[in-house]
Amino acid sequence: QKEVEQNSGPLSVPEGAIASLNCTYSDRGSQSFFWYRQYSGKSPELIMFIYSNGDKEDGRFTAQLNKASQYVSLLIRDSQPSDSATYLCAPFTGFQKLVFGTGTRLLVSP
Amino acid sequence: DGGITQSPKYLFRKEGQNVTLSCEQNLNHDAMYWYRQDPGQGLRLIYYSQIVNDFQKGDIAEGYSVSREKKESFPLTVTSAQKNPTAFYLCASSIRARDYLSGYTFGSGTRLTVV
Repeated sequence: QKEVEQNSGPLSVPEGAIASLNCTYSDRGSQSFFWYRQYSGKSPELIMFIYSNGDKEDGRFTAQLNKASQYVSLLIRDSQPSDSATYLCAPFTGFQKLVFGTGTRLLVSP
Repeated sequence: DGGITQSPKYLFRKEGQNVTLSCEQNLNHDAMYWYRQDPGQGLRLIYYSQIVNDFQKGDIAEGYSVSREKKESFPLTVTSAQKNPTAFYLCASSIRARDYLSGYTFGSGTRLTVV
């Protein structure tokens, strides 16, 4: 079992729709969860993080965490073509380091 | 502006040659990390350092070496023992090691190609 599982995609959504990106993790000792966006050929940039069960909103982005189900998600409202990128989920695991998933590729069509 | 600077942006290595990738940060971060990313794959940890003069192997350290003589600098050497070094190399830093609220800040990366 992989430490972090993400659907590789691509996830295709029309402009203005909600994009839902999902991530499951295996280490129950994970304390916090980070979402990074990576444009093709570029380095990852931090979008947001969450450490408590429930929802956390930041602008068009909402992170959702369910530790009992070992599940974290990222919702992007009013998706824009500029949101087209690969989104990496990264739990801070019991080994006290971030472990990165392979990412979900999101395509937003105009 | 504070940030992480990686150089060079592109690097070409001949067979049997050692090359060194530079990583410098002016964020006053304690911890620094080196990752490798292959096409369509996730980030794999090569080495990390939590404090000056100390570093630990990550998941794929074979064929690589590092040093941490200054807080700001964490160079990575790709040795001739690394048989498949062509990849995108990313350096990152975090405020404090072992801090679950500290995300990682990444440099812009070095793309290494074997010729």
